[in-house]
Amino acid sequence: GENVEQHPSTLSVQEGDSAVIKCTYSDSASNYFPWYKQELGKGPQLIIDIRSNVGEKKDQRIAVTLNKTAKHFSLHITETQPEDSAVYFCAASVGRGDKIIFGKGTRLHILP
Amino acid sequence: GAVVSQHPSRVICKSGTSVKIECRSLDFQATTMFWYRQFPKKSLMLMATSNEGSKATYEQGVEKDKFLINHASLTLSTLTVTSAHPEDSSFYICSAPLPRAGANVLTFGAGSRLTVL
Repeated sequence: GENVEQHPSTLSVQEGDSAVIKCTYSDSASNYFPWYKQELGKGPQLIIDIRSNVGEKKDQRIAVTLNKTAKHFSLHITETQPEDSAVYFCAASVGRGDKIIFGKGTRLHILP
Repeated sequence: GAVVSQHPSRVICKSGTSVKIECRSLDFQATTMFWYRQFPKKSLMLMATSNEGSKATYEQGVEKDKFLINHASLTLSTLTVTSAHPEDSSFYICSAPLPRAGANVLTFGAGSRLTVL
């Protein structure tokens, strides 16, 4: 079935440095790739997304890149801050309708 | 902005009882809603797609009779965990497509933590 793989599962970076999280997907029909941030005990919040007709999208310190040929997409966070500490999930659309499936998540720790 | 509200946020029940979780779209209509389950430090697993006015579509391996979904109006979907057991303890999260945001763009509720004793 459809699958989204996410790496690494845990990432620690020094405050101010950049963080990169990578995902791969299996369904060649996937055309929408959102990234969610989840804080403890809360629901996931959409932070950025990209559709298959573009290769890169940026929103302030956050950027996402997509390589459709390789079925890879990545999240880049620059100038990391303590409030960036959270669990980040990549996801991909599957099938018809608005269904999306999630990667296993990356726990990001920003070190002081 | 469009908000999805879940209630209750936390619930504790005894084994064998049933628990209902509500998911409401507060300022928009949602003909479709999605229910996810999340174990501690794990990912979100899609359980089912809730369809207004028709039967829910369940993912493979999810027991329909165990997890009853009712989408009776354009702003409310409910998940009932029937005859709950300790292994049903989990974080249940619903989502709905954001209006006018394009296909697949979902907004999520804050989740409901179920603990079965």
